[in-house]
Amino acid sequence: DADVTQTPRNRITKTGKRIMLECSQTKGHDRMYWYRQDPGLGLRLIYYSFDVKDINKGEISDGYSVSRQAQAKFSLSLESAIPNQTALYFCATSDQRREGRNTGELFFGEGSRLTVL
Amino acid sequence: GDSVTQMEGPVTLSEEAFLTINCTYTATGYPSLFWYVQYPGEGLQLLLKATKADDKGSNKGFEATYRKETTSFHLEKGSVQVSDSAVYFCALSRGFKTIFGAGTRLFVKA
Repeated sequence: DADVTQTPRNRITKTGKRIMLECSQTKGHDRMYWYRQDPGLGLRLIYYSFDVKDINKGEISDGYSVSRQAQAKFSLSLESAIPNQTALYFCATSDQRREGRNTGELFFGEGSRLTVL
Repeated sequence: GDSVTQMEGPVTLSEEAFLTINCTYTATGYPSLFWYVQYPGEGLQLLLKATKADDKGSNKGFEATYRKETTSFHLEKGSVQVSDSAVYFCALSRGFKTIFGAGTRLFVKA
């Protein structure tokens, strides 16, 4: 089983619909992230969370919201989806606490492909 | 701000050819540098990393050296295989923040 699990893996929806992408992890990591991948643009950070009570905006947070329901769960919501939110979305985790420093390594889920028509 | 620039793809090679994918970065301080690989239908996974100048990261026959004087972290492999076909991302990390390059798609022909 994957250490970082995303659901759904694929979703097609219509403009204006509310969509939630979910992420759960069994790695015991404290930090969780949502990234968006677009061809030719690499990965861009949407939101990140250092623990359950700490949520921070990334570089492209407009149109998105998140919830850290538990240490192991981090969900991304699109309140009213629009076509330019069509992309591949990745959840990732990292561990600040190991060795007392952030090694910087990210651990990714398999991605959720979202198409907004 | 911090940024990562890597060569545009796609790169198409024959099996056993030598691979270089160029990566340069702009950052203040001393970031950690990474190469991630994304195989078709999968998420990114760490390929190798280097945390200080002159460090060489290596894994699965791939190597990259952290060159502070040229702000580069080029990925090399002496003999590629069809199974190396994937998208490769160069990235830098300072603290919690990771900046990714645009990715370079590699095709290896048998």
